[in-house]
Amino acid sequence: NFMLTQPHSVSESPGMTVTISCTRSSGYIASNYVHWYQQRPGSAPTTVIFEDNQRPSGVPDRFSGSIDSSSNSASLTISGLKTEDEADYYCQSYDSNNHVFGTGTKVTVL
Amino acid sequence: QVQLQESGPGLVKSSETLSLTCTVSGGSISSYFWTWIRQPPGKGLEWIGYIYNSWSTSYNPSLKSRVTISVDTSKNQFSLKVSSLTAADTAVYYCARGQWLRSHFDYWGQGALVTVSS
Repeated sequence: NFMLTQPHSVSESPGMTVTISCTRSSGYIASNYVHWYQQRPGSAPTTVIFEDNQRPSGVPDRFSGSIDSSSNSASLTISGLKTEDEADYYCQSYDSNNHVFGTGTKVTVL
Repeated sequence: QVQLQESGPGLVKSSETLSLTCTVSGGSISSYFWTWIRQPPGKGLEWIGYIYNSWSTSYNPSLKSRVTISVDTSKNQFSLKVSSLTAADTAVYYCARGQWLRSHFDYWGQGALVTVSS
């Protein structure tokens, strides 16, 4: 099976931009959709990006997703960072009847 | 608005079986991928498995030998059983919904903490 590896943590000041990577260990990142979840402490995850780059209604356009086949990775970018964006973020994808979550990234707003 | 709610014992003994139920309200339990996901304290998310169309199941290969997911359409509920428990099974267990096989999980329960004691 495959793994999705994310940086353990990223931090940035309010108003700035952060990008979180999600690298697939084997198989092609583009072979299945990548989804992204935000999880605040004590709460269930919620979707911020689905199907690589789609935003659910209610998610601000400061959140965007992309796929880079050359690095076999997906990315979540948060622009105009706000204190409310401080949370854990997980990528998720699928292959061979198995759903896999990324290792998770803690975003800290300085 | 679809809502999911987990229920079950918060403390179970090592080597025994964990049983959790997820009650779905605001929508039918038919035709979706009803899923269990868990998160050990301070760690990441792990997909456990799903049930689809009341009988088709798929499980995480690492847990497959110990996991059973079933559905009770008359009660709009689906359930999880995990046998031969160890401390490593201590986690918050979430139920969630997927609209189709490769979709994201669009609705989640609030989560239920299950502690495995020796």
